[in-house]
Amino acid sequence: AQTVTQSQPEMSVQEAETVTLSCTYDTSESDYYLFWYKQPPSRQMILVIRQEAYKQQNATENRFSVNFQKAAKSFSLKISDSQLGDAAMYFCAYRSAREVTGNQFYFGTGTSLTVIP
Amino acid sequence: DAMVIQNPRYQVTQFGKPVTLSCSQTLNHNVMYWYQQKSSQAPKLLFHYYDKDFNNEADTPDNFQSRRPNTSFCFLDIRSPGLGDAAMYLCATSRAGSVISPIFGPGTRLTVL
Repeated sequence: AQTVTQSQPEMSVQEAETVTLSCTYDTSESDYYLFWYKQPPSRQMILVIRQEAYKQQNATENRFSVNFQKAAKSFSLKISDSQLGDAAMYFCAYRSAREVTGNQFYFGTGTSLTVIP
Repeated sequence: DAMVIQNPRYQVTQFGKPVTLSCSQTLNHNVMYWYQQKSSQAPKLLFHYYDKDFNNEADTPDNFQSRRPNTSFCFLDIRSPGLGDAAMYLCATSRAGSVISPIFGPGTRLTVL
């Protein structure tokens, strides 16, 4: 199984400030997808942003952007202008792009983000 | 709206009493996943289906089984629940070989007495 590591179990950020969550992964594949998911307390897992490994351009979704470093196998999430509603557990996740055999979807260990008013 | 539905949302069972959790989807996705998530931990992949092909993770206990009778439905059977099996069980669906991100259901919270 591929390994996805989030080295920051907990992070905090002041409201309106910027925070970066880190993620590294280990794979021998060249084509894959990376995701950041958000899981608010007692609520559903929802997609924040995704990145295809073959794309060099970093993905951006409104206040959320990633820094994808393929050679370093690093995939960090930057949240700009943090809002109280951003408080949640954030999971980095990996999925192979192989159609038949590569459908495992693995999560990192998670980072709990607190937003301070 | 197309979605992933899990029933029941809360399930209480007794130690050793078999229990079945249900997942259905209207997305026509060919991949379905089952995850176990314990408090403050990451979801752990138990197994997944690629169409009808069942793929078990190496460390998934034999106590956990699954069935997928058709594209829309997938079941998680816990044959003899132990106290350590109390957790949130998440179902997710996806389309193989695509950039479509897995879509998650709301989960079923399992309590073992």
